[in-house]
Amino acid sequence: DSGVTQTPKHLITATGQRVTLRCSPRSGDLSVYWYQQSLDQGLQFLIQYYNGEERAKGNILERFSAQQFPDLHSELNLSSLELGDSALYFCASSVGTSFSNEQFFGPGTRLTVL
Amino acid sequence: GQSLEQPSEVTAVEGAIVQINCTYQTSGFYGLSWYQQHDGGAPTFLSYNALDGLEETGRFSSFLSRSDSYGYLLLQELQMKDSASYFCAVSGNSGYSTLTFGKGTMLLVSP
Repeated sequence: DSGVTQTPKHLITATGQRVTLRCSPRSGDLSVYWYQQSLDQGLQFLIQYYNGEERAKGNILERFSAQQFPDLHSELNLSSLELGDSALYFCASSVGTSFSNEQFFGPGTRLTVL
Repeated sequence: GQSLEQPSEVTAVEGAIVQINCTYQTSGFYGLSWYQQHDGGAPTFLSYNALDGLEETGRFSSFLSRSDSYGYLLLQELQMKDSASYFCAVSGNSGYSTLTFGKGTMLLVSP
């Protein structure tokens, strides 16, 4: 158990819909990262927040957005969903300043778009 | 652009030694990490190399050559539970702490 929690575990929805994925980082971690994992694209970095502020952006689509709240939990919002958005979405957290940049991953949310 | 290359699959037997190679091309580089992921589970951190050379952690070792943009993960005394996917990842492409992952190497350990 990494100490990172994600809800829900599974999500099934239809094309065109909007969903929100939630992540609570490990106690004390200020950085939160979102990743998308699909069979053809592998594990792709989407976005990072550090202490409430957006720190870095990766391959995040315009239809996706995220935020980190004052209690440091984070939400990833996916809208106008397409079949290709079906994937495993991981949240990870880190202290943000460690030398090794070790990231602790949550169990993931499996999103299925029908 | 950025790219990381690693073999898609490696097979070995229990007790053997296996090496998983990773070559990378990125615009920014701070270090090379390795993560393990069991089927459908969360990736877990194995090692990190920022400087050239070998880092050893128990049965696992990781090596980096910055001049060759190359690293490897060495797994010794293989056990069945080592069957998993192994990802190399570089930090620095989108910022110091962000990770760009390779596509992963599936390791199958047989008895």
